[in-house]
Amino acid sequence: AQKITQTQPGMFVQEKEAVTLDCTYDTSDPSYGLFWYKQPSSGEMIFLIYQGSYDQQNATEGRYSLNFQKARKSANLVISASQLGDSAMYFCAIPDNTDKLIFGTGTRLQVFP
Amino acid sequence: SQTIHQWPATLVQPVGSPLSLECTVEGTSNPNLYWYRQAAGRGLQLLFYSVGIGQISSEVPQNLSASRPQDRQFILSSKKLLLSDSGFYLCAWSGGLRAQPQHFGDGTRLSIL
Repeated sequence: AQKITQTQPGMFVQEKEAVTLDCTYDTSDPSYGLFWYKQPSSGEMIFLIYQGSYDQQNATEGRYSLNFQKARKSANLVISASQLGDSAMYFCAIPDNTDKLIFGTGTRLQVFP
Repeated sequence: SQTIHQWPATLVQPVGSPLSLECTVEGTSNPNLYWYRQAAGRGLQLLFYSVGIGQISSEVPQNLSASRPQDRQFILSSKKLLLSDSGFYLCAWSGGLRAQPQHFGDGTRLSIL
């Protein structure tokens, strides 16, 4: 069965600095993908970035990038040039064998001036 | 473009009262639809998902039920609410392929008194 682990309950970063949010996974699927979502205090879940296991290059979307290391089974989210508006909960997720998403427990990021 | 609408945004209900939360999707056909619940400060728990009209799969035993009367309409219901039904409820849709993200509504905060 698929499993997602986010070991950082909370992270702090200063504005304009980069921050890495950790995510490790366990899956027996030969082909899989990892999703990252942002949840601000207002509650909506916002899709940020996705990478498939066969993608050759790490995915990037604006200030978000995935540091995908298959051998370590990790898919860390890197946020560059942090902004105050980046303060939120961040969840990584992996599809199970019926394509439903399994979410991690989340990391609360706080950006300070 | 596709949009998802979920209402109401906030709901306060007495114990034992019925519940109906509605979710509709626009701009796509035959989406996969999902209902999640999120306890305060916790991750997402999948309650129900549907791959088509009238097709509902329940993930956890509970006091709630779901229905999909139309292709792009997903309803979460209860005949008698319990205190433990309090939480943040999120509806989501996806195209059904593994590499496609789920897209979420703005959520409903349900408080049971």
